[in-house]
Amino acid sequence: GQQVMQIPQYQHVQEGEDFTTYCNSSTTLSNIQWYKQRPGGHPVFLIQLVKSGEVKKQKRLTFQFGEAKKNSSLHITATQTTDVGTYFCANSNSGYALNFGKGTSLLVTP
Amino acid sequence: SQTIHQWPATLVQPVGSPLSLECTVEGTSNPNLYWYRQAAGRGLQLLFYSVGIGQISSEVPQNLSASRPQDRQFILSSKKLLLSDSGFYLCAWSVKGNTEAFFGQGTRLTVV
Repeated sequence: GQQVMQIPQYQHVQEGEDFTTYCNSSTTLSNIQWYKQRPGGHPVFLIQLVKSGEVKKQKRLTFQFGEAKKNSSLHITATQTTDVGTYFCANSNSGYALNFGKGTSLLVTP
Repeated sequence: SQTIHQWPATLVQPVGSPLSLECTVEGTSNPNLYWYRQAAGRGLQLLFYSVGIGQISSEVPQNLSASRPQDRQFILSSKKLLLSDSGFYLCAWSVKGNTEAFFGQGTRLTVV
């Protein structure tokens, strides 16, 4: 499957600061999905992007798919302690299964 | 509504012992099923996926195997565990034609 690279690996922010994680691929992706995994929990689906340049928002979260469909980002505005966890991007170019990036672990200090 | 059950939640097994982890899905039929492994502080590695009964695709060659004896049942097995098999094992399912994955609660396996 197509490998996606995520940066940064870790991010520590103060509550109220913004946070962004990036997902990059060397080849064009058919789609990109984002998941959140709370500490000790299992990954939970957040969103899927399929169109070039697509932008979707979920409250304080903004998801973008690049024009060339080779990169994606997740931006959180004014982080809260409930945002703590690891954020994964994943793609399914094979059409059957998802291949996940290594994730960005977010720590939010009150 | 659909639910996925995975057990046990935690497991401590000695090196060389066998393994059997079970996953069942309720509320849907003919799902795609997946086994992922997550090493401590790492990403998710796809181990096996299945598009139907008896159909198993292996992504990573190792001493693990998977079986799908029934439509909504997926089993991960090993004849002899290695220390390197320790990790967090996650079962997931998706609807045919859609790769959005729904994960079980996971099994935390420690091989000692």
